[in-house]
Amino acid sequence: NAGVTQTPKFQVLKTGQSMTLQCAQDMNHNSMYWYRQDPGMGLRLIYYSASEGTTDKGEVPNGYNVSRLNKREFSLRLESAAPSQTSVYFCASSEFVGKRDGGEQFFGPGTRLTVL
Amino acid sequence: GNSVTQMEGPVTLSEEAFLTINCTYTATGYPSLFWYVQYPGEGLQLLLKATKADDKGSNKGFEATYRKETTSFHLEKGSVQVSDSAVYFCALREGNYGGSQGNLIFGKGTKLSVKP
Repeated sequence: NAGVTQTPKFQVLKTGQSMTLQCAQDMNHNSMYWYRQDPGMGLRLIYYSASEGTTDKGEVPNGYNVSRLNKREFSLRLESAAPSQTSVYFCASSEFVGKRDGGEQFFGPGTRLTVL
Repeated sequence: GNSVTQMEGPVTLSEEAFLTINCTYTATGYPSLFWYVQYPGEGLQLLLKATKADDKGSNKGFEATYRKETTSFHLEKGSVQVSDSAVYFCALREGNYGGSQGNLIFGKGTKLSVKP
């Protein structure tokens, strides 16, 4: 059981380049999330997918797109990278929370992205 | 809107010292509350949680009690170890089950360093 996996672990881009961050989970979770972590800012939600076939914007969606490819996979795309997108990106997953059940999220190890 | 405020760090303690990291929240309804821990170079892991008022979450010697009257969820440990050095995040999951069901709102994190 690998949990939540992310690729790549590290990436350096030049301004204007594009890339896709990959995320997969093997826990049969319905919901998946993309966060960015910046110093002094905690974690901020970029996009989420409550269930397969749906995606919604989070707190900071500008400059990003997502695809929920299937139940296991949720990718994050930067179409034209900017230095402000230099950050650590985390993917997470959780059970579908249609009732009061605690809602624990499981996190991947992160992708460290630098945009020059 | 909903928010989480936690004490700013960094916090530096000697081994076997008592630890308190304060966390207060603002939320409508009845949120679930969480503490996550992030060890250097890793993703976040759930440390403990509480889903209703007066619940106490506990794990690995850490405890936190959900206090609705003071809207707080302070993290405590009686005797810290060097291995507890990490960043600790307080988070809440909104209590309503609309479009943002399952989403977590994080505090900015508190870095703890424990010296031998």
